[in-house]
Amino acid sequence: AQSVTQLGSHVSVSEGALVLLRCNYSSSVPPYLFWYVQYPNQGLQLLLKYTTGATLVKGINGFEAEFKKSETSFHLTKPSAHMSDAAEYFCAVSERDTGRRALTFGSGTRLQVQP
Amino acid sequence: ETGVTQTPRHLVMGMTNKKSLKCEQHLGHNAMYWYKQSAKKPLELMFVYNFKEQTENNSVPSRFSPECPNSSHLFLHLHTLQPEDSALYLCASSQDPGGFETQYFGPGTRLLVL
Repeated sequence: AQSVTQLGSHVSVSEGALVLLRCNYSSSVPPYLFWYVQYPNQGLQLLLKYTTGATLVKGINGFEAEFKKSETSFHLTKPSAHMSDAAEYFCAVSERDTGRRALTFGSGTRLQVQP
Repeated sequence: ETGVTQTPRHLVMGMTNKKSLKCEQHLGHNAMYWYKQSAKKPLELMFVYNFKEQTENNSVPSRFSPECPNSSHLFLHLHTLQPEDSALYLCASSQDPGGFETQYFGPGTRLLVL
């Protein structure tokens, strides 16, 4: 079965600093990869996803992520944090070879942005 | 209304009550999902519906009973719940079946079982 590991349940950065949120997956066949963001009292919103093609994926709000097959990773980055980026971020995967529609989520990383 | 809506947003119920959660998607999608988000646990898939047919049940206890009368509406009927069922219940939809599809989430119903 698929599993997703997000290293660090809480990450704190200063405004303007680099944001790096880590995600690793476990499967022999690289899955489809997603990053979702959840703001307080809201549902999840897609930031970006990797399905095929270019391994560096750009998303909304200046975020990007790079799929690295050799490292089974899909880390999320943003060059310069903004106060509005404070939220919980979820990495998720879905199986590429079975067509199963469900997402398997990581446990989430709460991002704090300090002024 | 746009996107995915859920009602009620908050619900408090006793263990002997019966209540229902409602989800409606205004995106013309064909697949709908229920997820459970508990404190300190990853989001858990509960049910998947595709064209009104249930295609996945992730070993959910029978005290949770889903209903999908059409592709736009999804219900979760609750009865004799336990305090450990307190959580945020999220509904999502996607255009078509397929693991690569983006799922669009509603704001959730925060449920407290006393």
